[in-house]
Amino acid sequence: GAVVSQHPSRVICKSGTSVKIECRSLDFQATTMFWYRQFPKQSLMLMATSNEGSKATYEQGVEKDKFLINHASLTLSTLTVTSAHPEDSSFYICSCRGANQPQHFGDGTRLSIL
Amino acid sequence: DAKTTQPPSMDCAEGRAANLPCNHSTISGNEYVYWYRQIHSQGPQYIIHGLKNNETNEMASLIITEDRKSSTLILPHATLRDTAVYYCIAAPAYYGQNFVFGPGTRLSVLP
Repeated sequence: GAVVSQHPSRVICKSGTSVKIECRSLDFQATTMFWYRQFPKQSLMLMATSNEGSKATYEQGVEKDKFLINHASLTLSTLTVTSAHPEDSSFYICSCRGANQPQHFGDGTRLSIL
Repeated sequence: DAKTTQPPSMDCAEGRAANLPCNHSTISGNEYVYWYRQIHSQGPQYIIHGLKNNETNEMASLIITEDRKSSTLILPHATLRDTAVYYCIAAPAYYGQNFVFGPGTRLSVLP
């Protein structure tokens, strides 16, 4: 089946640090990638949608200057949380969708900002 | 995307069939029904999807009512590893596919 790799799986860092999370589709070309955020005991919330080679589309309330998304190729998207603060601590999950494929999700990145 | 409603939790005995219902009464003609599950601290895992015909794969079966207003995911022989939160999502097939995740159903498979 389709495999999506997300790295790192866990990050702990100090407030003010910028953190980059990578999402790779390993065995298919992902024309669209999605980034979600999940707070404890809550469901997944879509943050942004990105198509290869285009600017990402952000959901209402998500700051595009804080959450930088780059989708430079059909197999790689990155999410950079700039100047992270404790309220940015969350579980970040990417998903990839290829031609004639449903979304397949990575295993998530648990971000903890001290 | 159509909103779906699911019971917040269900229990199932190990080895028995788990039947998870989902209501999607406002589903559009071009929207599929997708099922995913999320085991604690992992990303959601794709299970199955369908438009109007019943579907079966190695993981589960999906039964969609004729009016498409509801569906049931069936895990034929639940195991302890099937304990997870199950999400039912109605969304277009591919282009324009923005998933809206509800709270899902927390399935507990009991020994």
